[in-house]
Amino acid sequence: EAEVAQSPRYKITEKSQAVAFWCDPISGHATLYWYRQILGQGPELLVQFQDESVVDDSQLPKDRFSAERLKGVDSTLKIQPAELGDSAMYLCASSFQVGGRGRFNEQFFGPGTRLTVL
Amino acid sequence: SQELEQSPQSLIVQEGKNLTINCTSSKTLYGLYWYKQKYGEGLIFLMMLQKGGEEKSHEKITAKLDEKKQQSSLHITASQPSHAGIYLCGADDPRYSGGGADGLTFGKGTHLIIQP
Repeated sequence: EAEVAQSPRYKITEKSQAVAFWCDPISGHATLYWYRQILGQGPELLVQFQDESVVDDSQLPKDRFSAERLKGVDSTLKIQPAELGDSAMYLCASSFQVGGRGRFNEQFFGPGTRLTVL
Repeated sequence: SQELEQSPQSLIVQEGKNLTINCTSSKTLYGLYWYKQKYGEGLIFLMMLQKGGEEKSHEKITAKLDEKKQQSSLHITASQPSHAGIYLCGADDPRYSGGGADGLTFGKGTHLIIQP
């Protein structure tokens, strides 16, 4: 069964260091999402890609976070420099259909990357 | 912005018992998704509701969206240990308008524990 792949699964870093997370969506899925989930909270959208283009990054802290999906397939999310408050689970999801408000568009989630900033 | 409130925050249920989880929105729901998350893992899609009064079932799980489309409930019949985890409701957020943006806004989740 096709799955969304993420790596690493766990990352421990010190504050002010740079970290990067990788996501490989299900083959053929044009839409890719990055969410951040703080312990005890629901996931919050950081950025959405349609192929290689950013559809929405309004919630991405652009002073330290960046995301790219250069060839419209896999994606990288980077944090530089990391801060203590960035400790969270970073979830990647993908969907086949082009989105749009109110249209059913099942998002398939990867296992996540658990980031701990010391 | 749209907010989703889930209740209860946590639930301990004896195996075999029925239970209900609620999700209430501050605004009209255009699409309401239910996901399950095992601790430390990704989310697994359960069901999606769009129409007021809609009800969907999968195995022992039934989800409903009320007529006014501002509240949804998830009901589990004859709970099993495999039902344990975090249940999250997610809504198609009206903030994202046009351009194919459809990121979901999630509630904080309901932690379900099944006691043998």
